[in-house]
Amino acid sequence: GAGVSQSPRYKVAKRGQDVALRCDPISGHVSLFWYQQALGQGPEFLTYFQNEAQLDKSGLPSDRFFAERPEGSVSTLKIQRTQQEDSAVYLCASRDGNNQPQHFGDGTRLSIL
Amino acid sequence: RKEVEQDPGPFNVPEGATVAFNCTYSNSASQSFFWYRQDCRKEPKLLMSVYSSGNEDGRFTAQLNRASQYISLLIRDSKLSDSATYLCVVNIPNSGYALNFGKGTSLLVTP
Repeated sequence: GAGVSQSPRYKVAKRGQDVALRCDPISGHVSLFWYQQALGQGPEFLTYFQNEAQLDKSGLPSDRFFAERPEGSVSTLKIQRTQQEDSAVYLCASRDGNNQPQHFGDGTRLSIL
Repeated sequence: RKEVEQDPGPFNVPEGATVAFNCTYSNSASQSFFWYRQDCRKEPKLLMSVYSSGNEDGRFTAQLNRASQYISLLIRDSKLSDSATYLCVVNIPNSGYALNFGKGTSLLVTP
C-alpha cells in the first residue's frame, strides 16, 4: 500500500522567500508529525496533529513556521521569509494509534540560498 | 544538553563483529523507547522497540534500564548491510507520542 508521501522531494529557495511543503499521510492515520533534520543531526520534533487539531507546536523554531491540516488528512508546513538556517530535511510521519510505530515519508530537502 | 545522548561514533567494524551502541535519556517520564535505522539520504525506519525486559530480534538485542535511563543495542555477526546510522529514540511525554531522537551513531561494516 501507499506510504507517507511528501512533496516536493527537493526545494531550493532564495532567502526571504516563502515555501510550502506538503505531506500526504497513510490513509486513515489519525496522528501526523513534522520533524526537521539538519545535516549530521537526528530529526527534531516540530509539531503534531491529531486529525485536524494541532495539539502541540512547541517544536516550531519561530513564528515564521506554520503548519496546518484542515481536513485531517493532508498537511502543509509553511515557512515564511526563509533564512539560511532553515536549510534541512523536513520529515513527515503518520501513525494509526498510540501503540503503533510512526511511518516516515522520504522527506523534503530544503536548501535556502 | 540534548535529551537523548548517544555514543559519538563512528564505529568501523569488520564483518562478523559484535558491536554495541549506548544511549541515555533525560526525561524520566518517557515511556516508549526505540531504535531507528537511517540510511544515507533516506528516511528513518523503525528497527525495533525496546522493552523493559529486554528484547531480541534475530541478530539485534535491545536493553532498557529505566532506573539509570539507559538504552542499548547489540548487533551480533555484523553484515555489510548493517552499515547505517542508528538513532536512539524516546517518546516526548504528553505530545501524542512524538519522538525525541538522538544525534545518531554511524556504523560502517567493512569486508
